[in-house]
Amino acid sequence: GESVGLHLPTLSVQEGDNSIINCAYSNSASDYFIWYKQESGKGPQFIIDIRSNMDKRQGQRVTVLLNKTVKHLSLQIAATQPGDSAVYFCAETISNFGNEKLTFGTGTRLTIIP
Amino acid sequence: DTAVSQTPKYLVTQMGNDKSIKCEQNLGHDTMYWYKQDSKKFLKIMFSYNNKELIINETVPNRFSPKSPDKAHLNLHINSLELGDSAVYFCASSQDPSSGTDTQYFGPGTRLTVL
Repeated sequence: GESVGLHLPTLSVQEGDNSIINCAYSNSASDYFIWYKQESGKGPQFIIDIRSNMDKRQGQRVTVLLNKTVKHLSLQIAATQPGDSAVYFCAETISNFGNEKLTFGTGTRLTIIP
Repeated sequence: DTAVSQTPKYLVTQMGNDKSIKCEQNLGHDTMYWYKQDSKKFLKIMFSYNNKELIINETVPNRFSPKSPDKAHLNLHINSLELGDSAVYFCASSQDPSSGTDTQYFGPGTRLTVL
């Protein structure tokens, strides 16, 4: 399944299927991007990051794709598991010699259906 | 053994009161942050401190005053609490944001409810 990360949309995916969470970022000058996972009652947890000089980066079961032309970021989760159920945030920042700040997207709630 | 810890986890108080939220990190990081997450899950930075020095202040009302006694602690004091201050407040820390690829580690959050 796919979603666009605006107004906290919800994405439901069958366990074992792949999921794609999308994010449109705002600042064309942003050069570093991060995906965070936030489980209920917990703080955001780092998943994977990517710099603007790359267009793809893979981790364990997760892949981040960056399209700078259209300012779009996506997170692919392979073979989803119940523990993947959470709210996922993309975040962007501009390298600014110590004054960096993360700007978060609105998040997408992913629900894995057993 | 928690990397970034916050106290209290829940805080319920009356409008007009003054309250503090404490944050500690044992990661040896130089930079700490406060974020506010509203009821729609929107997460926005409020402050950042690097080695006890204020770096970012995102036009937060001056009723909010962060205090950093040392680089492992960044407390948030809020005066004259208002209904709109109700939110979940997250503390975070990172090693070196100037590297441009610095990961921020978040605490578990403090849910503040103003009645």
